[in-house]
Amino acid sequence: SAVISQKPSRDICQRGTSLTIQCQVDSQVTMMFWYRQQPGQSLTLIATANQGSEATYESGFVIDKFPISRPNLTFSTLTVSNMSPEDSSIYLCSVGPSGETQYFGPGTRLLVL
Amino acid sequence: SQKIEQNSEALNIQEGKTATLTCNYTNYSPAYLQWYRQDPGRGPVFLLLIRENEKEKRKERLKVTFDTTLKQSLFHITASQPADSATYLCALTSGGSYIPTFGRGTSLIVHP
Repeated sequence: SAVISQKPSRDICQRGTSLTIQCQVDSQVTMMFWYRQQPGQSLTLIATANQGSEATYESGFVIDKFPISRPNLTFSTLTVSNMSPEDSSIYLCSVGPSGETQYFGPGTRLLVL
Repeated sequence: SQKIEQNSEALNIQEGKTATLTCNYTNYSPAYLQWYRQDPGRGPVFLLLIRENEKEKRKERLKVTFDTTLKQSLFHITASQPADSATYLCALTSGGSYIPTFGRGTSLIVHP
C-alpha cells in the first residue's frame, strides 16, 4: 500500500490566477497520476507523471494549462494555470505501485471565482 | 465508444440488509475490474479486484461477481451498516494497460 498526502486540501482562487498542488508519497514509485473529479462525475485522468521525463497528458488536457513536475520518486506537483470557474473541481493524485490497485490522496478541492 | 454505467440514483437500504450495486460496461475487454469506496471530501479507497477469468471474489462482508458475457459486475455488502454509507466506484482496466477507467459511482445510504 501507499500513503499519500496532498497540499492544499482546499482553496478558493480568483479567475486568471494559478494554483500549484503538491502530492507526497511515503514510498518511491515510478508513476504518479493526476485526476480531476468534477461534481457528480467520474474521475478523469489528466496525466501520468514519470520521474525524469515529461508527463504524458490525456486527450483534452495540455501542458500549458496543467504543467506537472516530478522531481523525485516520492513527489509531484500539478499546477492549474490561468484558472476559470470551469476548473472548479477536486484534484486527486494517485499511485499504482503494484500495477493494478491505485492508492489515492485525500484530494484538493478547488473553487474558482 | 467505451462506457461504464453505474446507477446514478442513490441506493437506500435498511441496516442489516444486503446492498447490491451494479456496474455495466460496453466496448471494453477488461483484464480486471475494481471496486472503490469514496467518502465525501476524500479520495477513493480500494476495496476489491476481480480478474476476467474469475467469477466471484469475497472479502469479509463484501462480494464481487464478474460476468464478462453480460458485461456486468455486481458488488454486494451483506449485513450492511450505516458506516457503509458512501459512494462506490467501479473501475475497469483493459489488457495491456495499467490505468483504470472509473465509473461515476453509486451512492449507498444505509439507514439505522
